[in-house]
Amino acid sequence: DTAVSQTPKYLVTQMGNDKSIKCEQNLGHDTMYWYKQDSKKFLKIMFSYNNKELIINETVPNRFSPKSPDKAHLNLHINSLELGDSAVYFCASSRDWGSGNTIYFGEGSWLTVV
Amino acid sequence: AQSVTQLGSHVSVSEGALVLLRCNYSSSVPPYLFWYVQYPNQGLQLLLKYTTGATLVKGINGFEAEFKKSETSFHLTKPSAHMSDAAEYFCAVRANTGNQFYFGTGTSLTVIP
Repeated sequence: DTAVSQTPKYLVTQMGNDKSIKCEQNLGHDTMYWYKQDSKKFLKIMFSYNNKELIINETVPNRFSPKSPDKAHLNLHINSLELGDSAVYFCASSRDWGSGNTIYFGEGSWLTVV
Repeated sequence: AQSVTQLGSHVSVSEGALVLLRCNYSSSVPPYLFWYVQYPNQGLQLLLKYTTGATLVKGINGFEAEFKKSETSFHLTKPSAHMSDAAEYFCAVRANTGNQFYFGTGTSLTVIP
């Protein structure tokens, strides 16, 4: 069973559209994340939720809105997509907020905005 | 504040040769250190991590890394490269307080037959 699963894996959409990426973890973890990886492979944290509560909200446009209906899910909704949003988005989770905990990543969602 | 520097965005080695990927961190306190590998079109997979205890850490696929506090380094090594090791490798640091996780810019490893 996949520990952290996200859908869709590939998404091609036009500028101005609204899209969502879903993420689920079956590890029983309390903390979930969204990371963005740009074309140069640089990974940057976007959001982090702990027990459904937002704890990290980096400076991303407010067109990006995370939603955590429960501890096992953290979805990412993007409004009014722009060309610069094209990237790979990774969902991840860790056992809890503790610093030594390993972060487990999903397979990534490749978003292309045309 | 934490930061991670990976020296060399691209490293090429011959099959069977030693792999050395460099990672230096800056931290006011000893951090937790991680190495992740990313194969093409896949997510990141943990190779190994250092939290406390023994400074030489062994990971999966024959990789190991040594935490050297005096050098603020956590270099990744493997005695003999295999073709399947070709991938992107990320060093990451996490402070021992708080939850922020900082990644290096990655090193792309090419293994030459």
